[in-house]
Amino acid sequence: GQNIDQPTEMTATEGAIVQINCTYQTSGFNGLFWYQQHAGEAPTFLSYNVLDGLEEKGRFSSFLSRSKGYSYLLLKELQMKDSASYLCAVRDSNYQLIWGAGTKLIIKP
Amino acid sequence: GAVVSQHPSRVICKSGTSVKIECRSLDFQATTMFWYRQFPKQSLMLMATSNEGSKATYEQGVEKDKFLINHASLTLSTLTVTSAHPEDSSFYICSAMVGDTEAFFGQGTRLTVV
Repeated sequence: GQNIDQPTEMTATEGAIVQINCTYQTSGFNGLFWYQQHAGEAPTFLSYNVLDGLEEKGRFSSFLSRSKGYSYLLLKELQMKDSASYLCAVRDSNYQLIWGAGTKLIIKP
Repeated sequence: GAVVSQHPSRVICKSGTSVKIECRSLDFQATTMFWYRQFPKQSLMLMATSNEGSKATYEQGVEKDKFLINHASLTLSTLTVTSAHPEDSSFYICSAMVGDTEAFFGQGTRLTVV
């Protein structure tokens, strides 16, 4: 079966750095997405990785290792507004998006 | 970025009635839109893939006759929850792919059936 694993919840301090991991087992791979979702709102797109390596976008970076079935989202200089759920999704060989359950990130002052 | 507009954002309806949710792509043409359902503290669950000009493709376990999807134009897809019951109360979200690398979501619709 297809599976996306992420930690359920993480806590970090304002101004610090946090890494949210995502491991996947899917039938085929056509890209990995990270989304941010604030409570009660729809997800917003953060990043897309299809090749191995690190993609940097401001305070957020996303890393992919296809051979290990592994990705992480790195958030630097954390702000209180970064408190949200972070969803990892993998597009499989049928171009279907398989979603992780999301990681709830709690930022403390 | 591309804009996907979903309406209404919140709706309360009586058990047994039908509710229509609209999803529009405002500045691009979306040949394919996706409808998701999300329960509290859970991830998105794909309900169906809506294709312009043809029948929607439903995921296993999703009742076609209960969740009617119509994709009448390249900018509009609708989801109608027919004969709604309290267990249908949920957060419904639509999305559309822009190119191959980004999916944009509507604002979501919180449906409460009383």
